[in-house]
Amino acid sequence: GENVEQHPSTLSVQEGDSAVIKCTYSDSASNYFPWYKQELGKRPQLIIDIRSNVGEKKDQRIAVTLNKTAKHFSLHITETQPEDSAVYFCAASWVTGGGNKLTFGTGTQLKVEL
Amino acid sequence: DGGITQSPKYLFRKEGQNVTLSCEQNLNHDAMYWYRQDPGQGLRLIYYSQIVNDFQKGDIAEGYSVSREKKESFPLTVTSAQKNPTAFYLCASSMGGEQYFGPGTRLTVT
Repeated sequence: GENVEQHPSTLSVQEGDSAVIKCTYSDSASNYFPWYKQELGKRPQLIIDIRSNVGEKKDQRIAVTLNKTAKHFSLHITETQPEDSAVYFCAASWVTGGGNKLTFGTGTQLKVEL
Repeated sequence: DGGITQSPKYLFRKEGQNVTLSCEQNLNHDAMYWYRQDPGQGLRLIYYSQIVNDFQKGDIAEGYSVSREKKESFPLTVTSAQKNPTAFYLCASSMGGEQYFGPGTRLTVT
């Protein structure tokens, strides 16, 4: 089955700096790569996702890059703000017409310091 | 935040008792999922269902059971066979691609 590894497990940055979180996956058939943000005690919420036919996707301060050959994808957050502090999870799956079985990384605790 | 609900938010049970966690969605999604989250860890898939009256085991199904009699509902039963049931349980639904999560149920078994 799919295996997703995520690094680093904790990341501390100064407000206004950039943050990068990296994930690798094992199953070359995976074609969907979402990133979720989870605040303490809350549900995970999708912040950005990318499909395997695209190399990069950007949404305001957030971007995701995908390297299919190397089987890794990364989340980039620019101009970080205190409200970006949370746990971020990457995931990978093969999406069919119906559901998709996501395999999650173990999460990165991002702390944005003033 | 509407669309997928879980109840209750907190649940306390004694060891040896079965307990059922509720998950309901009104998003008309075909697929539904149950995940378990332990402190400092990612989400691990317990069971998933792609269609009514059908479901498959995920990575950690032992000690759990589910049913999918209606499209809107996917209840999870934590049985006494689950050795370490205390955790945060998240339900999700999808129609391919993005999974939408419920608010979660925090189960404590003593």
